[in-house]
Amino acid sequence: EDKVVQSPLSLVVHEGDTVTLNCSYEVTNFRSLLWYKQEKKAPTFLFMLTSSGIEKKSGRLSSILDKKELFSILNITATQTGDSAVYLCAVVSSNTGKLIFGQGTTLQVKP
Amino acid sequence: DGGITQSPKYLFRKEGQNVTLSCEQNLNHDAMYWYRQDPGQGLRLIYYSQIVNDFQKGDIAEGYSVSREKKESFPLTVTSAQKNPTAFYLCASSIGSTNEKLFFGSGTQLSVL
Repeated sequence: EDKVVQSPLSLVVHEGDTVTLNCSYEVTNFRSLLWYKQEKKAPTFLFMLTSSGIEKKSGRLSSILDKKELFSILNITATQTGDSAVYLCAVVSSNTGKLIFGQGTTLQVKP
Repeated sequence: DGGITQSPKYLFRKEGQNVTLSCEQNLNHDAMYWYRQDPGQGLRLIYYSQIVNDFQKGDIAEGYSVSREKKESFPLTVTSAQKNPTAFYLCASSIGSTNEKLFFGSGTQLSVL
């Protein structure tokens, strides 16, 4: 059965800290891995990764995929209170074309 | 502004009652999806539609029904057969069914009275 596991499930840090969120997966015929940020209610797209070892970067956020070890990390440097959210990881299988989501990591950044 | 609109934000269901959640998009996307989000669990796919007048069951379709009569609209009905309907429901769309990048609405929180 295809599955995606995120860790940690929750995390509390202080402003300025650097955090690393993890996403591991077991999916038949991997196609892509996506990260979303869910603050308040609506998830918003952050990154899509398909190739191993190539870092995607947007401001203080970056992500990388390791297809050999079947995981991805999302890094956030110099965290701000506005980074507080649930971060969702999802993997797409070529077999089904559907997204399989992990449980999410709840990040709280304290002033 | 282009986007996805879900309504209502909060909904209460009485036992034995069917309720319908609205989802409208003006992004001109072909594919639309309904997900259910429970605390501590990932998003689970209920139904999806790749084109008008066609839809497929997702992983947890029992107790739910949908229709896709217009490209812009994909309403979800939670029927009385769904015994544990309390959850947060998210509607999403994508340009095509093979496009993984989803755009989400702001969700509907459904609770049972």
